[in-house]
Amino acid sequence: GAVVSQHPSRVICKSGTSVKIECRSLDFQATTMFWYRQFPKQSLMLMATSNEGSKATYEQGVEKDKFLINHASLTLSTLTVTSAHPEDSSFYICSASGRGVIQPQHFGDGTRLSIL
Amino acid sequence: EDQVTQSPEALRLQEGESSSLNCSYTVSGLRGLFWYRQDPGKGPEFLFTLYSAGEEKEKERLKATLTKKESFLHITAPKPEDSATYLCAVQPNTGFQKLVFGTGTRLLVSP
Repeated sequence: GAVVSQHPSRVICKSGTSVKIECRSLDFQATTMFWYRQFPKQSLMLMATSNEGSKATYEQGVEKDKFLINHASLTLSTLTVTSAHPEDSSFYICSASGRGVIQPQHFGDGTRLSIL
Repeated sequence: EDQVTQSPEALRLQEGESSSLNCSYTVSGLRGLFWYRQDPGKGPEFLFTLYSAGEEKEKERLKATLTKKESFLHITAPKPEDSATYLCAVQPNTGFQKLVFGTGTRLLVSP
């Protein structure tokens, strides 16, 4: 149980392109979803938290207009990297948690984004 | 400021050689402490949640313990397939469901 699917697993695209990443909870209702960024040999950096049907809460230093997050249903959240540039290249990981205050986050397998 | 420090950064063990990983934390109020395993190029896999000092959880060769200042992940008689990065995270009781992660311990178990 508690499976989170993230798609695509890898994206290579040209600078200036917008890229959409999907995160789905397959077997539970995800009231809250999280988006992280991870650099090589470093830990996960939280970018934003989203609750179903409401606007995402972004961490300090994360550009809202650059990283658009939509959490339209209890099983789907999307992250769109708009007008991506080489410095946006990274490993992006989503997670989802169910109802309740102390619920573990279950993670997708990440998306490797490479901007040329 | 809430903070998590994991040690060692990297650990190399022979198959069958038991050891422990450490997670020290400072947090205004602890709602829960989580252990995850992460394989290269993959997302973290949930292992354990610990809520209060004195609590212990076990899963196969892994055992997690918690005190008021730190948590240990004990690995008994490890196998090569236990090789991974182990991440510790705390959930403060401020900031709805947000986790603060440590930088992880990279474990390599040689046959």
